[in-house]
Amino acid sequence: DVKVTQSSRYLVKRTGEKVFLECVQDMDHENMFWYRQDPGLGLRLIYFSYDVKMKEKGDIPEGYSVSREKKERFSLILESASTNQTSMYLCASSLRYPRQGTQHFGDGTRLSIL
Amino acid sequence: AQSVTQPDIHITVSEGASLELRCNYSYGATPYLFWYVQSPGQGLQLLLKYFSGDTLVQGIKGFEAEFKRSQSSFNLRKPSVHWSDAAEYFCAVGASLMDTGRRALTFGSGTRLQVQP
Repeated sequence: DVKVTQSSRYLVKRTGEKVFLECVQDMDHENMFWYRQDPGLGLRLIYFSYDVKMKEKGDIPEGYSVSREKKERFSLILESASTNQTSMYLCASSLRYPRQGTQHFGDGTRLSIL
Repeated sequence: AQSVTQPDIHITVSEGASLELRCNYSYGATPYLFWYVQSPGQGLQLLLKYFSGDTLVQGIKGFEAEFKRSQSSFNLRKPSVHWSDAAEYFCAVGASLMDTGRRALTFGSGTRLQVQP
């Protein structure tokens, strides 16, 4: 089974801090994704990566950046955390093909910005 | 651009009753379609998916979904609901293989299912 591991289940940070959310997958998947989940809004794509050092913006990239230095690891960075970034963050991975293949999700990180 | 609508935010059914969760999508060609389930405090688990072929798709946990091109729908069904099915359900759409644009899925806003004893 595919395992997608997010480093923290719960995280509390302060406004203005630089925050790192880490995600690791163990199935050699080319694609990795970061979503944000808010009540009534479903999942919204922040960024995704289809290869090492490659990234593309999703629907809501403002205030976020990402890093993919190794194939198995995809990091989401909040450059200067703000209270409106309090949310549940979900990481996912998938094979490159088919292009819209099944995404496998981690258990999520619930981030609170005070 | 592709989009997904789940018109029901919250549904309550009695245990043993049948269930249908609605999903409508907007996309110019035949999309890839998915249903995911999220239990409280967990990530999303794939229930079933449609890529091509038979329009009635069987999934895990006794769920099925039917792709209806004429109605742009992909509704999820289960003949008899169990208390453990209480969760949030998400429909998602992906662009077809020939679409070289967007690579990621677009998710609906979710339907929360409550099961009464």
